[in-house]
Amino acid sequence: AIWMTQSPSLLSASTGDRVTISCRMSQGISSYLAWYQQKPGKAPELLIYAASTLQSGVPSRFSGSGSGTDFTLTISCLQSEDFATYYCQQYYSFPYTFGQGTKLEIK
Amino acid sequence: QVQLQESGPGLVKPSQTLSLTCTVSGGSISSGSYYWSWIRQPAGKGLEWIGRIYTSGSTNYNPSLKSRVTISVDTSKNQFSLKLSSVTAADTAVYYCAREGCGGDCSNDYWGQGTLVTVSS
Repeated sequence: AIWMTQSPSLLSASTGDRVTISCRMSQGISSYLAWYQQKPGKAPELLIYAASTLQSGVPSRFSGSGSGTDFTLTISCLQSEDFATYYCQQYYSFPYTFGQGTKLEIK
Repeated sequence: QVQLQESGPGLVKPSQTLSLTCTVSGGSISSGSYYWSWIRQPAGKGLEWIGRIYTSGSTNYNPSLKSRVTISVDTSKNQFSLKLSSVTAADTAVYYCAREGCGGDCSNDYWGQGTLVTVSS
């Protein structure tokens, strides 16, 4: 299985800030990387797939980059509704695996 | 707009079989190049991919659960299902069904709301 290291696990920031979340793979996965946002009591929502493609309807302040083993999710100009938990997922090989999650909280 | 809805017992006894169904609405489960997935999340923890099925019946499972998992599809009912046998308390989680789009290139773009399954006597 492919191991994923997502960091940080907790991120404190303020509205208007720019934040980045990292996901590192134990082996290369090309661009088969997705990012999800999850709010308490809700299902995850797809933000980005193929490492950098924005899912339809997702605000442009979200962006993804990377390929191979190192990936980044960037949120520019944080809004109040962005405070949530974020997960990366590799779908390059089975079993698909998720990062441990990053909780983005208000500073 | 595709919608997915999980259904099934919320309480299962240890050693028994957990059975859940996901009903797809807003589109045919057979149309397009979609895989249909199950993912779970224990309370306060991260996400675990269980497996997926294509409408042809082809499946992929997580090896950590493979000996206990069966995913099936019923195209006539626009549903797919999960069976997990010999459950223990460690299988207590919120179970999500999801669609994997673009023939597998878009990851899970639509999710059900999730259903909590508790394993307890």
